[in-house]
Amino acid sequence: DAGVTQSPTHLIKTRGQQVTLRCSPKSGHDTVSWYQQALGQGPQFIFQYYEEEERQRGNFPDRFSGHQFPNYSSELNVNALLLGDSALYLCASSFGTGGKTQYFGPGTRLLVL
Amino acid sequence: GENVEQHPSTLSVQEGDSAVIKCTYSDSASNYFPWYKQELGKGPQLIIDIRSNVGEKKDQRIAVTLNKTAKHFSLHITETQPEDSAVYFCAASTARDSSYKLIFGSGTRLLVRP
Repeated sequence: DAGVTQSPTHLIKTRGQQVTLRCSPKSGHDTVSWYQQALGQGPQFIFQYYEEEERQRGNFPDRFSGHQFPNYSSELNVNALLLGDSALYLCASSFGTGGKTQYFGPGTRLLVL
Repeated sequence: GENVEQHPSTLSVQEGDSAVIKCTYSDSASNYFPWYKQELGKGPQLIIDIRSNVGEKKDQRIAVTLNKTAKHFSLHITETQPEDSAVYFCAASTARDSSYKLIFGSGTRLLVRP
């Protein structure tokens, strides 16, 4: 049973560019949440997708957007990258929005130069 | 606002000793409290969780306790081993319109000395 997978594992971008990160949820899960983890800090909630809709959003600007596909996989897009966007981006999957147990993928390490 | 405080930030114990990490949450509506272990270069791994209708839960060497009145919950690791060395995060689940998100503490770096 494959767990949560994310791609790419590492990414280097320059300021002002755009980036797309991808996530495939654990088998049987239909909800995907995205988190940003800065170095030395705990993950911070970005948003959650269920039934291809954004269900809840954290305190992140509109530069952060997402999408969920019919097969439950998800993308995180960040536009106009800033140096401060450098972080580990984590995807977590769960069953239903009320399914509180979230399982995390290995993350995508984004470095903005 | 929603907040989870975690202490200590670093913890060093001798192999075989116990380790305790404590967290406090602010949202009285929180009712699910997971603990994650994160090793270097990896994503957080769920190690144990507790729901608000339970005061204590144990899984082999790991136990979690919850005091809803005080809004405190703690992770206890007994008979620590070097492979327990990692960063541990507590989290509290908060809901909005039936959609839940996790609010994380700032992490505890645990070092188990052989």
